[in-house]
Amino acid sequence: QSALTQPASVSGSPGQSITISCTGTSGDVGGFNYVSWFQQHPGKAPQLIISDVSQRPSGISDRFSGSRSGNTASLTISGLQTGDEADYYCSSYTSSTTFVVFGGGTKVTVL
Amino acid sequence: QVRLQESGPGLVRPSQTLSLTCDISGDSVSSNSAAWIWIRQSPSRGLEWLARTYYGSQWYHDYALSMKSRMSIKADTSKNQFSLQLNSVTPEDTAVYYCARAGRQTGKSCYSSCYTFDYWGQGTAVTVSS
Repeated sequence: QSALTQPASVSGSPGQSITISCTGTSGDVGGFNYVSWFQQHPGKAPQLIISDVSQRPSGISDRFSGSRSGNTASLTISGLQTGDEADYYCSSYTSSTTFVVFGGGTKVTVL
Repeated sequence: QVRLQESGPGLVRPSQTLSLTCDISGDSVSSNSAAWIWIRQSPSRGLEWLARTYYGSQWYHDYALSMKSRMSIKADTSKNQFSLQLNSVTPEDTAVYYCARAGRQTGKSCYSSCYTFDYWGQGTAVTVSS
C-alpha cells in the first residue's frame, strides 16, 4: 500500500479538464513544498511534469498545473489530449525515515 | 542535456547480490548541485525511493530505512557513474530499477532540498528467480 493515496483511474473527453488528487499527511504533502508529479507512458520512465507543488519544468505544457490544499495535492490537466493517456504519480518529501514517498498512481483515460 | 543510463544483470538468483550501475552524461556525479538517486518500480510495491548519494564537501549516502541493512550506494568519479548493491535478494526485489537526478535548490543544502527528480534513466528490469 502506497504512502500517498491517489484514485486508481480518472477519465475525460478530449478538451475537458480533469483533476487527480494525492492525499498524504502533515508529515509529507501538507508539511513540505517538495511535492512532484510525474507522467509515465507504458514502457517508459516517469517524467517530471510538476515540482515544488505547482512549478512547471521547462518544456512542460501549461495545460498541466499543480496545487495543494491541506494534506492533499492536486494535478489538473486542461484541454485533455489523447497523448495525455498515461499513468500519473505524485511524490513528496517525508519527515519519516524513507525520505520520499510516492502515490500508487492514477491511470488517465481519454474517452 | 543530462542523460542517465542504467545497467544491470537482468536475472539474479535468490540470496545473491544485485549490482546496478548508472552512467551519467551531461553532468558530474561530484556536482554540488545534485544528488543521484536509485528508485525502483514493481506492480506489487509501486515506486520506491531506495537510496541517494551526493557530494557536499564530503560524500553523503542516504538509504530508505527499511532496506538500509541490505544496500550500499557508491559514486565513481573516474567513470562519472554511481552504483547500487543490494544484498540477499528475494523475489520481492523483482522490479524495474531507475537511476535519477535530484537537483539542489539554490541556497539550500542537498540534504534539505534534493527531492525533485528531474532526470531519469530508462530503467533496467531485474528478475529475482532461481
